[in-house]
Amino acid sequence: DQQVKQNSPSLSVQEGRISILNCDYTNSMFDYFLWYKKYPAEGPTFLISISSIKDKNEDGRFTVFLNKSAKHLSLHIVPSQPGDSAVYFCAANEHSGNTPLVFGKGTRLSVIA
Amino acid sequence: NAGVMQNPRHLVRRRGQEARLRCSPMKGHSHVYWYRQLPEEGLKFMVYLQKENIIDESGMPKERFSAEFPKEGPSILRIQQVVRGDSAAYFCASSPTDLGRREPQHFGDGTRLSIL
Repeated sequence: DQQVKQNSPSLSVQEGRISILNCDYTNSMFDYFLWYKKYPAEGPTFLISISSIKDKNEDGRFTVFLNKSAKHLSLHIVPSQPGDSAVYFCAANEHSGNTPLVFGKGTRLSVIA
Repeated sequence: NAGVMQNPRHLVRRRGQEARLRCSPMKGHSHVYWYRQLPEEGLKFMVYLQKENIIDESGMPKERFSAEFPKEGPSILRIQQVVRGDSAAYFCASSPTDLGRREPQHFGDGTRLSIL
């Protein structure tokens, strides 16, 4: 039973265009959502997060949108750069920060120059 | 280096041997989490520890797996009598002591365990 779903295993985008990565969740108790970026042979690196009291959070080229009624969040990267090519994981947890994260299976983003 | 440190990076064991994976959290972090990633899968939670206490081990197999986070020294994930299915990447994450603040968990680079 997957509580966090990333339905697109891969995505290819041209350099300079927008990348949109999607994530759906089923557990209505989740109140904190995070995106991690992972390169091969490295650990996940925290990218951006959003609390359930917000519907948008922006950090430079990265913006996360949260639609609680649809239990859906998305990560927008604009403009996309070749160095953004990596696997992106959506994760969520509940009640407080100090609880285990539940991860999606990841989306592999390829930014083509 | 103030990041989460895991060692070894790669570990090869034969079936039936023991594997010990170590994790030193970031400075100022007293919460440690272990996750396992199988090929083409996301990370799956195994166990959550604070110093000298296991807080949540609901993701850990009941047999052969154990974890500790002693008062001094790194957290250890121990797998006894390893089997082929234990081959995976094991990641450790840590988060700050302050429970009042919502902080992301920070991850180490993992230990890749291969069972021959």
